[in-house]
Amino acid sequence: KAGVTQTPRYLIKTRGQQVTLSCSPISGHRSVSWYQQTPGQGLQFLFEYFSETQRNKGNFPGRFSGRQFSNSRSEMNVSTLELGDSALYLCASSLGRDSGANVLTFGAGSRLTVL
Amino acid sequence: GNSVTQMEGPVTLSEEAFLTINCTYTATGYPSLFWYVQYPGEGLQLLLKATKADDKGSNKGFEATYRKETTSFHLEKGSVQVSDSAVYFCALCSVEGAQKLVFGQGTRLTINP
Repeated sequence: KAGVTQTPRYLIKTRGQQVTLSCSPISGHRSVSWYQQTPGQGLQFLFEYFSETQRNKGNFPGRFSGRQFSNSRSEMNVSTLELGDSALYLCASSLGRDSGANVLTFGAGSRLTVL
Repeated sequence: GNSVTQMEGPVTLSEEAFLTINCTYTATGYPSLFWYVQYPGEGLQLLLKATKADDKGSNKGFEATYRKETTSFHLEKGSVQVSDSAVYFCALCSVEGAQKLVFGQGTRLTINP
């Protein structure tokens, strides 16, 4: 079955612009979460969506936002880009059950470079 | 807060050597523990997991045992291959059913033929 698909894979923006990243989860998965990966901070949780509702949120400024659609696809948006937003943004999906250790399946990521 | 500490890399070994990557954690309650692997240019793949104390996760020759008394989840493999070269991440999830993973900083492993 198809894995988690993220688009675009690479993009370059300039400071002050905004960007939208897209994630299509594995069919049947209802939970989508987003992570930021940088050399300095490592992997940090951004937020999680389940059934179109944000269920968890990490410690990121309000410039980072997301949403989930009825088909479970998700988008994240970063407004007023800063140089420090340059990172690999990873999306992960899971069944999102309320019990048990949910296994996350990650996409290949969207690499954002801010100039 | 919850945190994960991994041994610093990079780690370089010869093929067929024994591998240990140390991981310790700090968490409230009884977290689930994971090892993920990231190959160049790819996202993270789940390598193995353990959900309660004394559980042993295993996959592709890799093993890790959930040790609550030492709050550790060390990754081991008896004989590494060149294809094991990657970055390895230890992670925990402290809220049942949640998708919020806390990751260690990652350990880059290089295996030389």
